[in-house]
Amino acid sequence: GAVVSQHPSWVICKSGTSVKIECRSLDFQATTMFWYRQFPKQSLMLMATSNEGSKATYEQGVEKDKFLINHASLTLSTLTVTSAHPEDSSFYICVPWGNTEAFFGQGTRLTVV
Amino acid sequence: QKEVEQNSGPLSVPEGAIASLNCTYSDRGSQSFFWYRQYSGKSPELIMSIYSNGDKEDGRFTAQLNKASQYVSLLIRDSQPSDSATYLCAVKGSQGNLIFGKGTKLSVKP
Repeated sequence: GAVVSQHPSWVICKSGTSVKIECRSLDFQATTMFWYRQFPKQSLMLMATSNEGSKATYEQGVEKDKFLINHASLTLSTLTVTSAHPEDSSFYICVPWGNTEAFFGQGTRLTVV
Repeated sequence: QKEVEQNSGPLSVPEGAIASLNCTYSDRGSQSFFWYRQYSGKSPELIMSIYSNGDKEDGRFTAQLNKASQYVSLLIRDSQPSDSATYLCAVKGSQGNLIFGKGTKLSVKP
């Protein structure tokens, strides 16, 4: 199956700092990248969709200036949580879309203290 | 608002029994359906995909799709304690994204 590398797998940061999460598709090209987050005991909620070389499309309620997405190449996308606050603590998952199915990154557990 | 509904559970079955997980969806135009398994603190992993009405079997797993009823289910035969996890139903949206249900927590008792 396709290989997706997401890191870091977990990070603890202080309130007000920024955190960058990196997602790489190692053996396929992903023209579309989906970023999800999952709060405890909740389902995965789509945050934004990005296409390589284009600006990301954000879901309602997700601040584009707070969650910066860069999808500069077909194999790399990054999500930067800027000025993180405790309520941003969540499990963030990248999902690059291959030809016929989605492949999941390992997820990043972000804890803001 | 396109939705995917699942019973949150927990669903508890004894080892060796059949576990039945159900899901309904609101978008009648949906064409692609997926079942994922998620262990606590981990990313989801794909169990099965189904695109046509009827049953699709893969080992101990059988996915069933009924587009007229907007219903998709997952049967797990000979359930094992290692099957204990949260099972997520997902439907592919018009933008290519996956729309997830809240998941059903399955507990298989030895």
